[in-house]
Amino acid sequence: QQPVQSPQAVILREGEDAVINCSSSKALYSVHWYRQKHGEAPVFLMILLKGGEQKGHEKISASFNEKKQQSSLYLTASQLSYSGTYFCGTEIVAGGTSYGKLTFGQGTILTVHP
Amino acid sequence: DGGITQSPKYLFRKEGQNVTLSCEQNLNHDAMYWYRQDPGQGLRLIYYSQIVNDFQKGDIAEGYSVSREKKESFPLTVTSAQKNPTAFYLCASSISGEQYFGPGTRLTVT
Repeated sequence: QQPVQSPQAVILREGEDAVINCSSSKALYSVHWYRQKHGEAPVFLMILLKGGEQKGHEKISASFNEKKQQSSLYLTASQLSYSGTYFCGTEIVAGGTSYGKLTFGQGTILTVHP
Repeated sequence: DGGITQSPKYLFRKEGQNVTLSCEQNLNHDAMYWYRQDPGQGLRLIYYSQIVNDFQKGDIAEGYSVSREKKESFPLTVTSAQKNPTAFYLCASSISGEQYFGPGTRLTVT
């Protein structure tokens, strides 16, 4: 089952903040976040494992609410370089073993203007 | 430099022909994956392999085949049975759950 991302698109001015959400109908083992520029390969941002942890990477951080089967990606003080399509990839619980099999959301297009 | 290479970047084929996409990694990663991406959509898993000589079907394996004879290599064959083969194909490898992608091959079948 594909996770659902919201919003589908976000338009920001430089310096503004954004939140991208990812929801699953199944119990999750992990959530992965990627950014893809047009015509390029996705770039790994971060992985969150079940346990409700929050991670940070410069001005980009994420949380994972295991009970709600949701993850949110937070982009603060956005820069022009943040523009791209953001994907979450979810791995469902499978007997406590990770097989690395991800199902990706449909993506959120983020556009940052000067 | 360690990384994942895919070749060629662009590939054109006539309908009814099989075509093999190359994926090589020198990161010493055990797991490798093939995804398909269509315009404006997310990535869909075709096949994945956790270890040499073993692989599993992903969500859209019909019309595709793979092999994993070496740790470094995971070629994907798009067969004539694949109804809509035109797409952007991405190969990835992973360690500790983090997946790293190659530059992709854009396949056009006419």
